[in-house]
Amino acid sequence: QVQLVQSGAEVKKPGASVKVSCKASGYTFTDYDVHWVRQAPGQGLEWMGWINPNSGGAKSAQKFQGRVTMTRDTSVNTVYMELSRLRSDDTALYFCARIRSGYSNYGLDVWGQGTTVTVSS
Amino acid sequence: DIQMTQSPSALSASVGDRVTITCRASQSISGWLAWYQQKPGKAPKLLIYRASSLESGVPSRFSGSGYGTEFTLSISSLQPDDFASYYCQHYNSYSNMYTFGQGTKLEI
Repeated sequence: QVQLVQSGAEVKKPGASVKVSCKASGYTFTDYDVHWVRQAPGQGLEWMGWINPNSGGAKSAQKFQGRVTMTRDTSVNTVYMELSRLRSDDTALYFCARIRSGYSNYGLDVWGQGTTVTVSS
Repeated sequence: DIQMTQSPSALSASVGDRVTITCRASQSISGWLAWYQQKPGKAPKLLIYRASSLESGVPSRFSGSGYGTEFTLSISSLQPDDFASYYCQHYNSYSNMYTFGQGTKLEI
């Protein structure tokens, strides 16, 4: 079945980097963009950015520009989101989600299970 | 940047009620809006896309409407499984960026 499976929970110290993976299965990997969304404890959803697995092109929200890097490895149908210079307010549940490339108004229809990132000294 | 404002931020209702959640954009966004349902600790679930199109498998008691700056998500007869948080999400075709509303928590 169609699914996105994310890597496990991470605990990092302030100033470090974290890399979260999102492995796709059950569909043609390069046909769908992958987005990253996070949710701090008790807070709402925050869009971080997206990557086109076909071209490798990516775009991030202004808030994260310079700190977030999104990449993909088409040989293993996996996208990665790396967030650097971590701060305590980066503690959140991080989700990946897909949307059909070129159909950006059709909503994020399949989501990963989420990866908890905790930033603490 | 276009701001998305949801109201109310919290809503109390009962099983069988009809409820409406509103999402307002700071400027016209045509029909570039989606709605999601989220339960605690779980991934969001797509309900509505393109403002009024029902995602496959979503019960027909959910409906979306609106265009321009004001949009609504309606649930015609609340079921116990519907008590959750709801978010609107806008796609900006000029910047290729997305924005979520701040969410509405629907409680019993």
